[in-house]
Amino acid sequence: GQQVMQIPQYQHVQEGEDFTTYCNSSTTLSNIQWYKQRPGGHPVFLIQLVKSGEVKKQKRLTFQFGEAKKNSSLHITATQTTDVGTYFCAGDRGSTLGRLYFGRGTQLTVWP
Amino acid sequence: GAVVSQHPSWVICKSGTSVKIECRSLDFQATTMFWYRQFPKQSLMLMATSNEGSKATYEQGVEKDKFLINHASLTLSTLTVTSAHPEDSSFYICSARPNDWGTDTQYFGPGTRLTVL
Repeated sequence: GQQVMQIPQYQHVQEGEDFTTYCNSSTTLSNIQWYKQRPGGHPVFLIQLVKSGEVKKQKRLTFQFGEAKKNSSLHITATQTTDVGTYFCAGDRGSTLGRLYFGRGTQLTVWP
Repeated sequence: GAVVSQHPSWVICKSGTSVKIECRSLDFQATTMFWYRQFPKQSLMLMATSNEGSKATYEQGVEKDKFLINHASLTLSTLTVTSAHPEDSSFYICSARPNDWGTDTQYFGPGTRLTVL
């Protein structure tokens, strides 16, 4: 089955606070991808992590891929109201088809 | 670049009818496209992988006779929900993986909201 767990399901923060969402897979992943979905919108690709222990940054966003390639995290520093949305991780198990299995997402609300 | 369109964006139909949803990659070719469904405030559930020129690969628990997929060209995949019932009401999203871009990234369409009365 699709075994990508993501926590927390919801997170409410004050603007300026930090935010982290965590993803865990029951199987080793070929790569993990992160997407953001705004309310009423569709998922938008943020980043892909491929290497064990990889860390990538995009401005205030920091993405990590665990050493065992089974877990990942997304950390946002000093959240802004524009960060509002649902953040999904999606794991690729390395099949030739490149299927992605999505976590349930973390819905972030930022209070001004 | 990397634009994926879906048509229609929303559809309302009567129970028992069939509905076809189109997914197009506008500025790239995609041998592989994916179909997902998303219930309100829930995750995307992979339904099937659409392969140009061959049969689709369905995920466990997804009825292939219920959700017909056709990938007739490198820029178009269609999902037909046959004999739709209210429980099929959902947000259907496709994605496409560009050929020859050297990336595994999937680009998502805007989704189609299906309501079955």
